[in-house]
Amino acid sequence: ETGVTQSPTHLIKTRGQQVTLRCSSQSGHNTVSWYQQALGQGPQFIFQYYREEENGRGNFPPRFSGLQFPNYSSELNVNALELDDSALYLCASSLVASGRIETQYFGPGTRLLVL
Amino acid sequence: AQSVTQPDIHITVSEGASLELRCNYSYGATPYLFWYVQSPGQGLQLLLKYFSGDTLVQGIKGFEAEFKRSQSSFNLRKPSVHWSDAAEYFCAVGGSSASKIIFGSGTRLSIRP
Repeated sequence: ETGVTQSPTHLIKTRGQQVTLRCSSQSGHNTVSWYQQALGQGPQFIFQYYREEENGRGNFPPRFSGLQFPNYSSELNVNALELDDSALYLCASSLVASGRIETQYFGPGTRLLVL
Repeated sequence: AQSVTQPDIHITVSEGASLELRCNYSYGATPYLFWYVQSPGQGLQLLLKYFSGDTLVQGIKGFEAEFKRSQSSFNLRKPSVHWSDAAEYFCAVGGSSASKIIFGSGTRLSIRP
């Protein structure tokens, strides 16, 4: 049990729709990262938020966006959904102290299916 | 380029046998190395991590890994596997100030009764 929670657990959307996924970080953690895990693949880094600012982004288009709130919870928003967006979306929380990133602890994920 | 290679897609071992899962990485700076395990439909659980110091790292569930800088490897080992170890195992690399962790494509472990 990592203390990182995600909602919803499963979601079905149709192509072109928009979706918002939510993550609640482990207590005391100030950083959240989002990953996309396609079936049979390793997780791919989408972006990270530190103190409500984006702090690094992977190779994902701008229709993937995020927010981090003062209580360190976070959202991942995906606009104009495509079939290839079907995946398990994982968030991970961590503590950044003295400029160093500690271990990332993952939530159980949200499985998104785009039809 | 930063990358992680797990050359074995699927491994089957007998219960009670020893296990070694291979991981090779490419990273320009001093690497932070991780092994995570994922059961079907679940998130990722951290098994162990290497940041610095002793190159032989002990983790949870009886796993250990050895960092070999000369070989750019971080192989995961367990002396005696249990049926409950069946899962997907991911090796990952990051840096002290890097925002992202780079994952390998995973090794699926099956246990033969």
